[in-house]
Amino acid sequence: DAGVIQSPRHEVTEMGQEVTLRCKPISGHDYLFWYRQTMMRGLELLIYFNNNVPIDDSGMPEDRFSAKMPNASFSTLKIQPSEPRDSAVYFCASRTGQGVLPLHFGNGTRLTVT
Amino acid sequence: GNSVTQMEGPVTLSEEAFLTINCTYTATGYPSLFWYVQYPGEGLQLLLKATKADDKGSNKGFEATYRKETTSFHLEKGSVQVSDSAVYFCALRNSNSGYALNFGKGTSLLVTP
Repeated sequence: DAGVIQSPRHEVTEMGQEVTLRCKPISGHDYLFWYRQTMMRGLELLIYFNNNVPIDDSGMPEDRFSAKMPNASFSTLKIQPSEPRDSAVYFCASRTGQGVLPLHFGNGTRLTVT
Repeated sequence: GNSVTQMEGPVTLSEEAFLTINCTYTATGYPSLFWYVQYPGEGLQLLLKATKADDKGSNKGFEATYRKETTSFHLEKGSVQVSDSAVYFCALRNSNSGYALNFGKGTSLLVTP
């Protein structure tokens, strides 16, 4: 089990640039979640998918953020244009089933926007 | 709505001290409750869970009891080790919020030798 794989681990970009974060969930998991972690707000759910379909995107901060899941093994979170306040650690997590089975988190992408 | 409140950190303890990290929640119905742990540079990992009132979750010497009367799920360990230094997150999942977890802000624990 390779776990949830996120790339890149670190991203430094200038304000106004497009940023794309990538996630490969655990094979067989049908739920995928994107979270953002900051000191001020803690862990915030941005969006989650079930069977590649977005179910709840109410946590996406604004139109600059978009997420896609073109197939069961890949998801992207895009920020365009990026702003300094987007600096955070972005986590992807996946899970199977609808019960209380645990979320499996990736190691996160630390984004710094200067 | 659903929400989780944790005690503010950081918490600093000496090795072998007793640990309590308080967690209270607001939710309708019967949520499931969780503790996750995050070690430096890593994602969160499930530590323990409880799915109904009076359930006790336990793992690696940590325990937490689901108290519906006080809407609490405090994390305890009798004797902490340096390797327990991490950030601990309380979380809930409720059927009225889909299948996502609502997390508290996390409590940083530092255990010194």
